[in-house]
Amino acid sequence: AQSVSQHNHHVILSEAASLELGCNYSYGGTVNLFWYVQYPGQHLQLLLKYFSGDPLVKGIKGFEAEFIKSKFSFNLRKPSVQWSDTAEYFCAVNAFPNDYKLSFGAGTTVTVRA
Amino acid sequence: GAVVSQHPSWVICKSGTSVKIECRSLDFQATTMFWYRQFPKQSLMLMATSNEGSKATYEQGVEKDKFLINHASLTLSTLTVTSAHPEDSSFYICSVRGDRNQPQHFGDGTRLSIL
Repeated sequence: AQSVSQHNHHVILSEAASLELGCNYSYGGTVNLFWYVQYPGQHLQLLLKYFSGDPLVKGIKGFEAEFIKSKFSFNLRKPSVQWSDTAEYFCAVNAFPNDYKLSFGAGTTVTVRA
Repeated sequence: GAVVSQHPSWVICKSGTSVKIECRSLDFQATTMFWYRQFPKQSLMLMATSNEGSKATYEQGVEKDKFLINHASLTLSTLTVTSAHPEDSSFYICSVRGDRNQPQHFGDGTRLSIL
């Protein structure tokens, strides 16, 4: 079974700072990769996804992620964060043939100070 | 707008009570729905996959008789926590997936507190 590792438990940064959240997975086969965000009091929302093609994926709200197959990584980035980016971020993977099952990382809490 | 509706959002009940949580797909017919459990400060853990018209598929370690899942229609799956105890207190979240290779859409979750 695949597992997902998020390196940072809690990240605190100031507005306009750059953000990078690490995500590694353990599975040697074909994977689909996702980043979800959970704002305080809200449900999980999809930020971006990678299925195939260009390994640099652009999502909503200025986020992007890069799939590096050789490193089994799918790190999330944003060049300049805003206070409204304060949220919990989850990396998730599903792997063929069980491509309907998502495995989540432990999540990273991001706190952006105004 | 919301794709998935989950009800109730919060329930508090006594130990030994059975609690039913509903998950509705609003925008499309979902042959597959998923039930997750999230403990405080932890990630979502898949409990079971709900299959319309057939038995649910449970993850290892999840008690089938404890967490009853019914997926009677293409838009509704229910999770019943039977004879709930304080250790069942958690945040339960459902999700739906449309076609293959589509991302899952999540409900708002149900906070279950057993006294």
